[in-house]
Amino acid sequence: QKEVEQDPGPLSVPEGAIVSLNCTYSNSAFQYFMWYRQYSRKGPELLMYTYSSGNKEDGRFTAQVDKSSKYISLFIRDSQPSDSATYLCAMSGDTGNQFYFGTGTSLTVIP
Amino acid sequence: NAGVTQTPKFRILKIGQSMTLQCAQDMNHNYMYWYRQDPGMGLKLIYYSVGAGITDKGEVPNGYNVSRSTTEYFPLRLELAAPSQTSVYFCASTNRGSNQPQHFGDGTRLSIL
Repeated sequence: QKEVEQDPGPLSVPEGAIVSLNCTYSNSAFQYFMWYRQYSRKGPELLMYTYSSGNKEDGRFTAQVDKSSKYISLFIRDSQPSDSATYLCAMSGDTGNQFYFGTGTSLTVIP
Repeated sequence: NAGVTQTPKFRILKIGQSMTLQCAQDMNHNYMYWYRQDPGMGLKLIYYSVGAGITDKGEVPNGYNVSRSTTEYFPLRLELAAPSQTSVYFCASTNRGSNQPQHFGDGTRLSIL
């Protein structure tokens, strides 16, 4: 079983839609959760960074962490064509040196 | 703010050639990482370093070498290029002691023919 599972999509939505992206994980020691956005031919860019359970909001983006279910989500409100990218979830623990990534979900927002 | 800088952006190698992928960060981060990204496969960790003079293997280290003589630089060396090493390579850094997330460079696209 992979440490982190993420549906690769592709996901295609009309402009203005609410997008929900999700990851599940197996290691209960994970405490730090990240979402990265990766445009074509660019490096991953940090979008959201959260610690432990709960919600975090930044503009049109909301990150949710449910540690009891080992499930994290990223919501994008009022999606824009500029949101078209691959979204990677990542996580790490309090100890250890490594980060664990999902394989990424490809999102296209159609004007 | 430069952040993490990778050079070159693109390179084509012949089988058996050698090259060094360069990575530099100006954020005084202690931890640095090398990943490769293949289509549909996500990021796979090649090597990482927790400080100058300290390196360790990741998930897919075979065929690669690294060194870290200073905090700023973390080059990745391919000694005998093979077609299986065709990939996009990303360098990342973080200040792990503060439990901070990783910051990535824009990658090196490498093709081996």
